Amino acid sequence: DVKVTQSSRYLVKRTGEKVFLECVQDMDHENMFWYRQDPGLGLRLIYFSYDVKMKEKGDIPEGYSVSREKKERFSLILESASTNQTSMYLCASSFRRSGNQPQHFGDGTRLSIL
Amino acid sequence: AQTVTQSQPEMSVQEAETVTLSCTYDTSESDYYLFWYKQPPSRQMILVIRQEAYKQQNATENRFSVNFQKAAKSFSLKISDSQLGDAAMYFCARGLNAGGTSYGKLTFGQGTILTVHP
Repeated sequence: DVKVTQSSRYLVKRTGEKVFLECVQDMDHENMFWYRQDPGLGLRLIYFSYDVKMKEKGDIPEGYSVSREKKERFSLILESASTNQTSMYLCASSFRRSGNQPQHFGDGTRLSIL
Repeated sequence: AQTVTQSQPEMSVQEAETVTLSCTYDTSESDYYLFWYKQPPSRQMILVIRQEAYKQQNATENRFSVNFQKAAKSFSLKISDSQLGDAAMYFCARGLNAGGTSYGKLTFGQGTILTVHP
């Protein structure tokens, strides 16, 4: 089975801190994704990466950056955390063979910015 | 913007009954895929069912089936013989087969919370 592991289930940080969310997958997937999930808004794509060191902005990249130095690991960085970044963050991965490849998700990180 | 819309924020069903969750989408592409995902409370999001747009036959996975109406851009999920374990948030998603870096990208709907009553 595919395993996508997010480093923390719950995280509390302070405004202005630099926050790192880590995600690791064990299926040699080319694609990795970061979403935020908010009530009534569904999943919104922040960034995705289709290969090592390659990244593309999603729908809501402002205030975030990402890093993918190894194929299995994709990090989301909040450069200077703000209260409006309090949310559930989901990491996912998939093969990049065609559009029919499902995404596999981690358990999510519930991040609170105080 | 090419969007996916789930117009039912919440639905409820009695155990053993049937429920249908609605989803509509917008795309100018002819080659795409549609997915339903399930997110149980405090648990991982998992794939329920997948439909290729080029297939006319509706996908079925055990008690889960879809009603895919391509012309209407509608993709509803039917859950038969509902069980307590079906209670979850359900997301509809669309993926394009447009090539390049878009492979594997999905656009998600807002989600529908399904409650199952015993």
